[in-house]
Amino acid sequence: NAGVTQTPKFQVLKTGQSMTLQCAQDMNHEYMSWYRQDPGMGLRLIHYSVGAGITDQGEVPNGYNVSRSTTEDFPLRLLSAAPSQTSVYFCASSYVGQGRESYTFGSGTRLTVV
Amino acid sequence: AQSVTQLDSQVPVFEEAPVELRCNYSSSVSVYLFWYVQYPNQGLQLLLKYLSGSTLVKGINGFEAEFNKSQTSFHLRKPSVHISDTAEYFCAVRPTGTASKLTFGTGTRLQVTL
Repeated sequence: NAGVTQTPKFQVLKTGQSMTLQCAQDMNHEYMSWYRQDPGMGLRLIHYSVGAGITDQGEVPNGYNVSRSTTEDFPLRLLSAAPSQTSVYFCASSYVGQGRESYTFGSGTRLTVV
Repeated sequence: AQSVTQLDSQVPVFEEAPVELRCNYSSSVSVYLFWYVQYPNQGLQLLLKYLSGSTLVKGINGFEAEFNKSQTSFHLRKPSVHISDTAEYFCAVRPTGTASKLTFGTGTRLQVTL
């Protein structure tokens, strides 16, 4: 199993450009989420989804959009990139049930906005 | 809502010395507790987790943590550190029973020197 796959691994954007960070999981997890990591601030939740067609805002949603058309995919869109969105982005999928718990992170996307 | 406090942003320690990284949390509901490690320019790796049962949890690389419900703490320990343990360590919590969001602390940078 590939787990959680994020693309691209690195990206440089100019201020005002838009782009989509891709996230795909092959574990059939209902719950997926996006975090950003900034120095000294840990990981903060941007958006999350509890299933296909259902999304909600996290702690820092401004400037980002998400959609969840399938269980497998959860793309994160930057509408108009700003230098404040320079960060490392992590996607995750998770599952709880039948005595098991799993929270799997992707390898991250390092985004620089100039 | 949940919150996680990692009071020590940096912990310097000599090789082969013991180390404790502190984590305190606040939550109005029962939580699962986690420790993650992040090596430079890498993603997050799960060290250990507490879901239920014994309050002493053993993880990978010789690390262990003890859940103390009365003190709402989940401190991470290792009896003898190695240079290769130099990394950022994150404590995280999330509500039990659902595949919901993780709330992270701000991280502790463990620096092991000779």
